[in-house]
This record gives sequence, structure tokens and C-alpha cells, in this order.
Amino acid sequence: GAGVSQSPSNKVTEKGKDVELRCDPISGHTALYWYRQSLGQGLEFLIYFQGNSAPDKSGLPSDRFSAERTGGSVSTLTIQRTQQEDSAVYLCASSFRRGRVEPQHFGDGTRLSIL
Amino acid sequence: DAKTTQPPSMDCAEGRAANLPCNHSTISGNEYVYWYRQIHSQGPQYIIHGLKNNETNEMASLIITEDRKSSTLILPHATLRDTAVYYCIVRGDSGNQFYFGTGTSLTVIP
Repeated sequence: GAGVSQSPSNKVTEKGKDVELRCDPISGHTALYWYRQSLGQGLEFLIYFQGNSAPDKSGLPSDRFSAERTGGSVSTLTIQRTQQEDSAVYLCASSFRRGRVEPQHFGDGTRLSIL
Repeated sequence: DAKTTQPPSMDCAEGRAANLPCNHSTISGNEYVYWYRQIHSQGPQYIIHGLKNNETNEMASLIITEDRKSSTLILPHATLRDTAVYYCIVRGDSGNQFYFGTGTSLTVIP
């Protein structure tokens, strides 16, 4: 079946521009997560959505980062006024039902490069 | 979430079983053990998870010791495509994220 889909797969933009990254979770998954992974590093948690509950934004690094999830499905991560340190692979994951012990399934990420 | 310890790298001959160890001595009773792998330029791929019983699926087997302080992921017949970084994660029902450490870089040798 279809996995988590992310677009674009690659994005190159100039410093100071805004970018939007999209995530289509697996159908029926109510939980959605955003992470980022810098070169050679582990995953850094950004934000978590569960159903209609208020999102857990505790991992967002600054107020330039925001995310929304419309209709409980597709999510968009927006980075405003991009900086070079924002360059990373942004990964989206989704999981089934409300149980936090359910495994997360990841997309292949968006590789963001800020010039 | 409990901390995990994995060897930084391992080699395995193609066709042989790959046994990847993980120590999680501070695991608590409600925490599960998860295994993921990440192949270069791809997102992490879920492999298997378990609580205390051994688990097997089409990809791998997970052996958890009786005291749950360690586990082993077994790839029964390693192929070149199994070359990846393998992450052992321990997670309970608190918190909203997985903590990926540095993992084990497995190289399958022809």
C-alpha cells in the first residue's frame, strides 16, 4: 500500500525566502510527526499532531517554523525567512490510532538546501 | 525514554545471519523495543518492535532477554541491500517522539 509521501523531494532556495514542505500520511493514520535530520546527525523532533487535539509544538526551534494539518490528513511545514542553518532533511512520519506505542512510518523526506 | 547502547559498526557476510545487539538496561515495564533502519538518502524504515516476547516478521526476528535489559535484531539471510544504519529505540507511552541515537552501521560484504 502507499506509504508516507513527502514533497518536494529536494528544495533549494535563497536565504530569507519562505518554504513550504508537504506531507501526505498513510491513509487512516491519525498521528503525524515532523522531524529534521542534519547531515550525519540523528533525528530532531519538531512537532506532533494527533487527531483534533492541539499539536505538540515543543520541538520547533524558533517562531519562524510553523505547521498545520488540515482535515486531519495532509500537513504542511512552513519555514519563514530561511537561514542557512535550516538546511537539513525534513522527515514526516505517521502512525495508526492513538496508541503511542504504535510504530511510526516515515517518508523519504525533503532535502532542504539554503544558499 | 530509556537510553540504548549499540556498537557503532558491524560487518556481515552476504547470506549469513546478521545479529545486531542493543543494550537497554534502564528499560521500564511499559517500554517497547523498536528497530528501524536507514539506508542512505531514505527515511527511517520500521522493521519490528516488541515488549517482552520474541517477535518475528517477514523482515527480521527480535529476541528480547528475559530481564529485558538487552535485545538482538536478527536478519536471517543478509543481502547487500541490508547495508544500512540500524537503530534500536526504547519507548513507552509518554512523549511524542522517537529518540534516534547513532545506531549501528551494518555493512554486508559480498
